[in-house]
Amino acid sequence: DSGVTQTPKHLITATGQRVTLRCSPRSGDLSVYWYQQSLDQGLQFLIQYYNGEERAKGNILERFSAQQFPDLHSELNLSSLELGDSALYFCASSIQSGGTDTQYFGPGTRLTVL
Amino acid sequence: AQSVTQPDIHITVSEGASLELRCNYSYGATPYLFWYVQSPGQGLQLLLKYFSGDTLVQGIKGFEAEFKRSQSSFNLRKPSVHWSDAAEYFCAVGARSSASKIIFGSGTRLSIRP
Repeated sequence: DSGVTQTPKHLITATGQRVTLRCSPRSGDLSVYWYQQSLDQGLQFLIQYYNGEERAKGNILERFSAQQFPDLHSELNLSSLELGDSALYFCASSIQSGGTDTQYFGPGTRLTVL
Repeated sequence: AQSVTQPDIHITVSEGASLELRCNYSYGATPYLFWYVQSPGQGLQLLLKYFSGDTLVQGIKGFEAEFKRSQSSFNLRKPSVHWSDAAEYFCAVGARSSASKIIFGSGTRLSIRP
């Protein structure tokens, strides 16, 4: 158990819909990272928040957005869903934001878009 | 730009046999290197990491990896595998500047033959 929690574990929805994925980082961690894992793209970094502020952006679509709240939990919002958005979405957290910081991963949310 | 190659998509070894998983990276400076393991239905767990110093790195679960700058490699080894080692293994290369600048390889799936 990494200490990072993600809800829900599974999500099934239809194309065009909007969903919210939630992540609670390990106690004391200030950084939260979101990743998408799919069979064709592998594990892709989406976005990072550090202490409530957006710190880095990766391959995140404009239909996707995220935020980190004052209690440091984070939400990833996916809208206008397409079949290709079906994937495993991971959240990770780390104490700070430096290259030496270990990222601890949550168990993931499996999103299925029908 | 950083990149990571894991040339073996799937490897099967017998229980008790030795294991080596290959990882080659491309990075302009001295890289930060990681190996993660993902068990079915789980998030990624850090096995070991290399930042500097001794090029032979010991990790959890009896794994070790050796950084070879001349070969741009960071191969993962274990002298004797157990059935519980069956999982997906990811090599990753990161940057000193930020933990968000981490690139994951495509993964190697390890199966254990009884």
